[in-house]
Amino acid sequence: QITLKESGPTLVKPTQTLTLTCTFSGFSLSTSGVGVGWIRQPPGKALEWLALIYWNDDKRYSPSLKSRLTITKDTSKNQVVLTMTNMDPVDTATYYCAHRRECSGGRCYAGYYFDYWGQGTLVTVSS
Amino acid sequence: QSVLTQPPSVSGAPGQRVTISCTGSSSNIGADYDVHWYQQLPGTAPKLLIYGNSNRPSGVPDRFSGSKSGTSASLAITGLQAEDEADYYCQSYDSSLSVVVFGGGTKLTVL
Repeated sequence: QITLKESGPTLVKPTQTLTLTCTFSGFSLSTSGVGVGWIRQPPGKALEWLALIYWNDDKRYSPSLKSRLTITKDTSKNQVVLTMTNMDPVDTATYYCAHRRECSGGRCYAGYYFDYWGQGTLVTVSS
Repeated sequence: QSVLTQPPSVSGAPGQRVTISCTGSSSNIGADYDVHWYQQLPGTAPKLLIYGNSNRPSGVPDRFSGSKSGTSASLAITGLQAEDEADYYCQSYDSSLSVVVFGGGTKLTVL
């Protein structure tokens, strides 16, 4: 059974750096094809994809936030860490990590999806 | 402004059928990228509802179905139930932006 859980501060000040940890179980980030992504959702607004890390340490970032994001993994701890610099009140959101899947039932799909999500963690940016 | 366009809201009475559209462009849905759908109940994380345009994960009722044509996709819900009241999001990939893209979400109200 795959589970993911986000952890980190609930409140950060403007200009500070946010560090979020996703701790997962039920899969290994050293297995070929596996990936973990981060998605956020401002209160009352839509989902926004932020970043993804693959089993081979390949990384992808949202172009609009790329300069502020860093995603890393610790395979031995089953953790993925997302850091976001220079936090602003507009970054107030619930941050989710999710398991990426591209293939199912012997078929692979063009563009991946997220089949398991963490419960999310609300991060408020305020002085 | 989301790359994938969804109606902000839809509604239907119990037992009725509703559809939610997801309109993209030639760089995402129209570029043959698959569409996936998520259901987000109030106060909870999104849950995968449909993957690969029309496939249901185990445990998702067959009242939910998906389709894709051209630059658009649709989610259909038949036999509406009160428990279906939620926000629904479509998702695909955009090759020109090189990002995963989500729709703006549609709030389903069961009357």
